[in-house]
Amino acid sequence: KAGVTQTPRYLIKTRGQQVTLSCSPISGHRSVSWYQQTPGQGLQFLFEYFSETQRNKGNFPGRFSGRQFSNSRSEMNVSTLELGDSALYLCASRIAGGENEKLFFGSGTQLSVL
Amino acid sequence: AQKVTQAQTEISVVEKEDVTLDCVYETRDTTYYLFWYKQPPSGELVFLIRRNSFDEQNEISGRYSWNFQKSTSSFNFTITASQVVDSAVYFCALSEAPRNAGNMLTFGGGTRLMVKP
Repeated sequence: KAGVTQTPRYLIKTRGQQVTLSCSPISGHRSVSWYQQTPGQGLQFLFEYFSETQRNKGNFPGRFSGRQFSNSRSEMNVSTLELGDSALYLCASRIAGGENEKLFFGSGTQLSVL
Repeated sequence: AQKVTQAQTEISVVEKEDVTLDCVYETRDTTYYLFWYKQPPSGELVFLIRRNSFDEQNEISGRYSWNFQKSTSSFNFTITASQVVDSAVYFCALSEAPRNAGNMLTFGGGTRLMVKP
């Protein structure tokens, strides 16, 4: 069974640009979550999607958005990039999103904003 | 609000030594779940263990063991006879029962473990 797949693996953008990251969950998983990892703030929850609906959102500005498609694949978008958005963005999936379910993580997309 | 603290930011040991990674959490809920994840240099977080708040039994899996104590709000992780392949960043995380649909993991800051040959 294939794991969580994130593309691209690395991305370099400049301030003010926008970026879209993609995540394909494990087959059969309907819940997809996104996390931002930085050396200063650690791992922080961005949002969670289930059946194409956003169920939960972390404390991030509106420049961060996401969506989920009918096949459970998810994308997250960051508009008007800032230097502080440089981070490893991790996607995780689980079957139905229950609090007791373990998350399966992808290898992440390393975003560098210059 | 929930919070997870991993006071040890970095630990260095020599191969075959035992090492314990500390995790202390805060939550107002009586129902919650605790997790440990391992992050090797590849970046992917690898699930190690899940424990619910009603199960205080310690668990052992090979060289890994976990000690959950509700009285001290701690969920510590011990690696016995460490190996170089254990070198990674280890995260403790907390998940509460959802107040609305959906939930999230709150992670500690992580402990970087370096095992030297």
